Amino acid sequence: ELKVEQNPLFLSMQEGKNYTIYCNYSTTSDRLYWYRQDPGKSLESLFVLLSNGAVKQEGRLMASLDTKARLSTLHITAAVHDLSATYFCAVPPETSGSRLTFGEGTQLTVNP
Amino acid sequence: NAGVTQTPKFRILKIGQSMTLQCTQDMNHNYMYWYRQDPGMGLKLIYYSVGAGITDKGEVPNGYNVSRSTTEDFPLRLELAAPSQTSVYFCASRRGTAAGNSPLHFGNGTRLTVT
Repeated sequence: ELKVEQNPLFLSMQEGKNYTIYCNYSTTSDRLYWYRQDPGKSLESLFVLLSNGAVKQEGRLMASLDTKARLSTLHITAAVHDLSATYFCAVPPETSGSRLTFGEGTQLTVNP
Repeated sequence: NAGVTQTPKFRILKIGQSMTLQCTQDMNHNYMYWYRQDPGMGLKLIYYSVGAGITDKGEVPNGYNVSRSTTEDFPLRLELAAPSQTSVYFCASRRGTAAGNSPLHFGNGTRLTVT
């Protein structure tokens, strides 16, 4: 059974600080997706990582993928309040899989 | 484009009642999905479809049924509602082949309460 584990599950940080969210998975997939969900809202796509060593950056968020370690990281630089949300990683069960299995999510709160 | 549209937004059902959650997309996506999200949890896949006429079970299909008669529509049917089906239901779609790399596009969700 595919396992997708995120840590931490809850993260409270101050504005201006840096932090990293980790996503470990048990599949052999070479793709991984990051999504953001604001409270009471739907999910929006943040990053699509398609190969080992892939790195994507947008604003204060940077995501990377290490398929050998089966690990993805979402790094937050100089956090601001607007980044407060729940972040999910998701992977397919195998390299060519059409489904996505989601992690439990990391609830991030950025305090002034 | 409207993207992925779900109706209704909210619904309260009594135990044993039935209902259909509607989902339609106007992006001509091949793949469509139904997920449920319980409070404070991640998403669990209920059913998915890789094209019109083709559906398959996800992780938690019991108590649900789906059909895919057109590319645009992917309704989810609850036959005998139970309190355990209280959840937020998200429909999603994406284009591409089985190895496709495009992300999921989500609807705004249907919040269902069964009492």
